[in-house]
Amino acid sequence: GAGVSQSPSNKVTEKGKDVELRCDPISGHTALYWYRQSLGQGLEFLIYFQGNSAPDKSGLPSDRFSAERTGGSVSTLTIQRTQQEDSAVYLCASRDGGAVTYGYTFGSGTRLTVV
Amino acid sequence: AQTVTQSQPEMSVQEAETVTLSCTYDTSESDYYLFWYKQPPSRQMILVIRQEAYKQQNATENRFSVNFQKAAKSFSLKISDSQLGDAAMYFCAYRPQGGSEKLVFGKGTKLTVNP
Repeated sequence: GAGVSQSPSNKVTEKGKDVELRCDPISGHTALYWYRQSLGQGLEFLIYFQGNSAPDKSGLPSDRFSAERTGGSVSTLTIQRTQQEDSAVYLCASRDGGAVTYGYTFGSGTRLTVV
Repeated sequence: AQTVTQSQPEMSVQEAETVTLSCTYDTSESDYYLFWYKQPPSRQMILVIRQEAYKQQNATENRFSVNFQKAAKSFSLKISDSQLGDAAMYFCAYRPQGGSEKLVFGKGTKLTVNP
């Protein structure tokens, strides 16, 4: 597609439930990032995928968070046993990691509300 | 660890006037990239301008320019002839050369443009 697509746009879930957030990167972009934006805060790095390399998971805040990227394209961020502090906007970005470029393209994010 | 600081949570400017947003960062690296992103209510992060640390010349994109002071680790954004459409959150971001090349963001500055 022309841009990075994220779904759903908004998600309300009950505390303790699991949620899955989806990111469709730009076709051909080998690098994919997940960020979390809490109210009044900047973007916090969560995880990075580059091609077939092992992902950089250093930003995941707890073992309730996990992500996968299938076939080097679509990525899913899963949050298990959601807590109220997980409420935030989750942004995905992709980049053409194979070229000497630094153009990150962001999606419009998923706003997660845990009630 | 690299950090990015934006000391102005909110700024306002009159339409057609000039405003400067501040950003400082901390790194021990010599090669890196700096960015300013705009985030309107649509949530999508839009690249405004970028600067390579090895370049002494300040980047310019139409009405947007930066004042990059490498020794002082300062990277301010100047918006000239402000327009109503410039109203948004502005985030300063740092990216190291190499590694996962993840962006490190400041907490943002909310810019209001008054007619």
